[in-house]
Amino acid sequence: KAGVTQTPRYLIKTRGQQVTLSCSPISGHRSVSWYQQTPGQGLQFLFEYFSETQRNKGNFPGRFSGRQFSNSRSEMNVSTLELGDSALYLCASRSTPGQGRSYEQYFGPGTRLTVT
Amino acid sequence: AQSVTQLDSQVPVFEEAPVELRCNYSSSVSVYLFWYVQYPNQGLQLLLKYLSGSTLVKGINGFEAEFNKSQTSFHLRKPSVHISDTAEYFCAVSAYSGSRLTFGEGTQLTVNP
Repeated sequence: KAGVTQTPRYLIKTRGQQVTLSCSPISGHRSVSWYQQTPGQGLQFLFEYFSETQRNKGNFPGRFSGRQFSNSRSEMNVSTLELGDSALYLCASRSTPGQGRSYEQYFGPGTRLTVT
Repeated sequence: AQSVTQLDSQVPVFEEAPVELRCNYSSSVSVYLFWYVQYPNQGLQLLLKYLSGSTLVKGINGFEAEFNKSQTSFHLRKPSVHISDTAEYFCAVSAYSGSRLTFGEGTQLTVNP
């Protein structure tokens, strides 16, 4: 079974621009979560989507948003980029919440975003 | 809300030596406990998990962890490490009812020849 894939793997943007990151979950997984990883703040939860609906949201400003499509693929958008948004953005998928081994989350390789 | 503290930011050891990476957590609700490993320029890989039952859990690559409810700890151990175990290790918790993972700050394990 193919793992979680994220595109692009690397991205360089300028302050003030916006960016969209993509995540394709493991086949059959319907929940997708996003995390931000920085040297200063560590790994922080951004949000989770299930069946095209946001189920949970971390403590991030409204510039960070996401969506999920009917095929479970998810995108994350950051508008008006700031230098502090430079980070590794990780996506994780799991099976239907409350069923089977849904407590296990599988991570993709991440997208490294650099804001200059 | 949950919080996780990894007591050592860096742990250097020699090859074939035993290692213990320490993790304490705090939560007002019942939680699942996890250890993840991250190699350079990669995502997170699940090493092992504690859900319930036996407090000693075994994972991949020869790692094991022991859940101690009274001390709210979940320390990771390996009896003999290899150079290839050099990586960053993260302890994490999630509430039974949710999926949000709360991570510790990470421990960089460096195995020297």
